[in-house]
Amino acid sequence: SQTIHQWPATLVQPVGSPLSLECTVEGTSNPNLYWYRQAAGRGLQLLFYSVGIGQISSEVPQNLSASRPQDRQFILSSKKLLLSDSGFYLCAWSPTGQRGYTFGSGTRLTVV
Amino acid sequence: AQRVTQPEKLLSVFKGAPVELKCNYSYSGSPELFWYVQYSRQRLQLLLRHISRESIKGFTADLNKGETSFHLKKPFAQEEDSAMYYCALRGGGADGLTFGKGTHLIIQP
Repeated sequence: SQTIHQWPATLVQPVGSPLSLECTVEGTSNPNLYWYRQAAGRGLQLLFYSVGIGQISSEVPQNLSASRPQDRQFILSSKKLLLSDSGFYLCAWSPTGQRGYTFGSGTRLTVV
Repeated sequence: AQRVTQPEKLLSVFKGAPVELKCNYSYSGSPELFWYVQYSRQRLQLLLRHISRESIKGFTADLNKGETSFHLKKPFAQEEDSAMYYCALRGGGADGLTFGKGTHLIIQP
């Protein structure tokens, strides 16, 4: 069966510290992968998407970066966190060329 | 650029009353719209999509291109409908979704 794992569930990090959030997908190959963020009082915003290994596109400029070192692994990173990076981060996948999205359980990031 | 607007941050209705969650969109092409729901402590999950013209858990949504709306409706609310509801438009990069801010629906007993 197809599943998506995202961790950690919650994270509290000091300003200026690095960040690494991981998302892995099982039961499928060559999926489209997405990172979304919901900041306080705002909707879910698409941050990055990937259509294949090593292929990353950014939807909005920010303090974050993404990488896809393996087909079913999607990583969200930052070298130095800002207070404004606080929010709820969701990973999602979609079969290539098909409709339908499956979301991870999300990570609540608080930068202090 | 595409945009999805959900004007109500919070909507509270009594059990058995009709529910309408509003969603308006802005998109230059032919839109593909979805409603997602997130129940307490659960993952975001698809409720319905306009291309399927389906009714899920008693909810329906009709795409009105003239009014650029995709409102979610249910004639008789149930307590288990309490959740966050997100309207979304397909059309971001690599077919990513553009979401509204969400509406927190509370059904009072």
